[in-house]
Amino acid sequence: GAVVSQHPSWVICKSGTSVKIECRSLDFQATTMFWYRQFPKQSLMLMATSNEGSKATYEQGVEKDKFLINHASLTLSTLTVTSAHPEDSSFYICSASDSSYNEQFFGPGTRLTVL
Amino acid sequence: AQSVAQPEDQVNVAEGNPLTVKCTYSVSGNPYLFWYVQYPNRGLQFLLKYITGDNLVKGSYGFEAEFNKSQTSFHLKKPSALVSDSALYFCAVRDDRGYQKVTFGTGTKLQVIP
Repeated sequence: GAVVSQHPSWVICKSGTSVKIECRSLDFQATTMFWYRQFPKQSLMLMATSNEGSKATYEQGVEKDKFLINHASLTLSTLTVTSAHPEDSSFYICSASDSSYNEQFFGPGTRLTVL
Repeated sequence: AQSVAQPEDQVNVAEGNPLTVKCTYSVSGNPYLFWYVQYPNRGLQFLLKYITGDNLVKGSYGFEAEFNKSQTSFHLKKPSALVSDSALYFCAVRDDRGYQKVTFGTGTKLQVIP
């Protein structure tokens, strides 16, 4: 199956700093990438959908100025958590979809801890 | 609006016994249905999907799921559980009308007891 990577796998940062998470599709061109947030023992919450070369579509309640998403190429999307606070600590997961596939392929996730 | 229900937070089954993880859904159009598995601190791994065709879908690691339109269900099954199957399982649905947003269930923790 298709492979999606995320970097870093975990990050610890100080409150007020910004953190960038990368999501890459390694063996296919991802026309659409998705960013999810998962709280402990809970399901995935879709944050935003991004299509290559266009602005991301954010879900209701997700601050677009805080969670900056860039999908500059068919193999790379980035999520930047700006001015991070402890409540932003979470497990962030990206997924990617090729237009010819119906399923999403998920990255391994990034554990963000904000001190 | 589409939704997915996984009525059981946890399912316990003895190793070697058959397992079932339940899922029901609601969509406006025709459903695309998926099962994913998640191991601790890992992303989701795709198990199987139903798009069209046979109601019984076979997937990875010996899992299968049966699409039942009248009951709007898509239960995940395996004839003989392994300890290594212990993980968190998510059912997901989207409709067939182009927009790819997928709705996930709340997850069911499967515990296979040796």
